[in-house]
Amino acid sequence: DAMVIQNPRYQVTQFGKPVTLSCSQTLNHNVMYWYQQKSSQAPKLLFHYYDKDFNNEADTPDNFQSRRPNTSFCFLDIRSPGLGDAAMYLCATSRGSDQETQYFGPGTRLLVL
Amino acid sequence: AQRVTQPEKLLSVFKGAPVELKCNYSYSGSPELFWYVQYSRQRLQLLLRHISRESIKGFTADLNKGETSFHLKKPFAQEEDSAMYYCALSGPPLEPDSWGKLQFGAGTQVVVTP
Repeated sequence: DAMVIQNPRYQVTQFGKPVTLSCSQTLNHNVMYWYQQKSSQAPKLLFHYYDKDFNNEADTPDNFQSRRPNTSFCFLDIRSPGLGDAAMYLCATSRGSDQETQYFGPGTRLLVL
Repeated sequence: AQRVTQPEKLLSVFKGAPVELKCNYSYSGSPELFWYVQYSRQRLQLLLRHISRESIKGFTADLNKGETSFHLKKPFAQEEDSAMYYCALSGPPLEPDSWGKLQFGAGTQVVVTP
């Protein structure tokens, strides 16, 4: 089935130790998004790629970066995770036109010790 | 700025009773409104969207531009409807790089009891 895949489903890291979360898609969508979702809160957009064009949200901390080496893969890098970065990280995709449906992955839950 | 408000954090209903989840928005333009649902241990997925005007799993939602609302309704709740529901808005780009963004409400947890 075409889908959005996130690995790993659970990630434990240490305070200050860089961590990378990955997302892949078989939908061949142009756009890939990364959201952060903390407990009992709505998903919050961190950034997105339209093809290779990167768009960062104004309030996304510098600690968070992303890479998209090809259409299928997108990575979220957290350079120096703090305790406040513990959250569920959701990847989503869309075809690439305005006001359209986004397709979500299952998420990676990040725990920072 | 666009904003989505879901006033109810938790909605508990009995099986077979009607259920209505409220969503209000603020947006100075023509937004597209969505309802996304997240069942226990499953991914966030689209339930329905305004533009398609469909009924999905017995749910309907009508966009009321005068009241700036997009409430989700189902006449007879089922136990399998227990989930977290998010109202979301997407508008045409108002600024450079604002394309395609979804603004989510805080979500409403629905619990349907037998």
